[in-house]
Amino acid sequence: DGGITQSPKYLFRKEGQNVTLSCEQNLNHDAMYWYRQDPGQGLRLIYYSQIVNDFQKGDIAEGYSVSREKKESFPLTVTSAQKNPTAFYLCASTHPSVGTNTEAFFGQGTRLTVV
Amino acid sequence: GENVEQHPSTLSVQEGDSAVIKCTYSDSASNYFPWYKQELGKRPQLIIDIRSNVGEKKDQRIAVTLNKTAKHFSLHITETQPEDSAVYFCAASIEGATNKLIFGTGTLLAVQP
Repeated sequence: DGGITQSPKYLFRKEGQNVTLSCEQNLNHDAMYWYRQDPGQGLRLIYYSQIVNDFQKGDIAEGYSVSREKKESFPLTVTSAQKNPTAFYLCASTHPSVGTNTEAFFGQGTRLTVV
Repeated sequence: GENVEQHPSTLSVQEGDSAVIKCTYSDSASNYFPWYKQELGKRPQLIIDIRSNVGEKKDQRIAVTLNKTAKHFSLHITETQPEDSAVYFCAASIEGATNKLIFGTGTLLAVQP
């Protein structure tokens, strides 16, 4: 059963703590992305990675970090430097090296709440 | 970098009417323009896309038009049904280069029965 999986679905964090969101895909996709979704602000790009061991900052990377040690995995760490981390986080993947189809497949999201 | 603006933010139509959502983009190098639908509590899913070598694409009740000169593209839904109610996002990217998808701010479409 191919797809992209995010875990956990709900996550609570105390102020001052780092927390890591998991994103795993078995679609053999090269590119992976993290987006943050807030009401009225759409999907804002945090980080993206086009290939293993390489990643680039998106529009709102401050306070976040990522790694891409394996093709299948692209974890996102929300650090204590992120001032307003409460949001819905979506991970996505695309396979740009196959023809020209760059449809993005999304995970089901992680809702992070700071308590 | 690329910036995508989307209007309106909310749209309410009667069942059977048409709905139009408009987006503009800033980077003239963008060549791939998908539209995603996100139902309440679910993940976004691709509903239609268009590339810069065509001006219009249709799929049953859904169509997308692209004006490269003006750098805007639109989603048209005809004969709307209650199940069309969702948030719709447009996006733009430079396919074959960064492939980075930049999304608009979304449109909440409500179809009234």
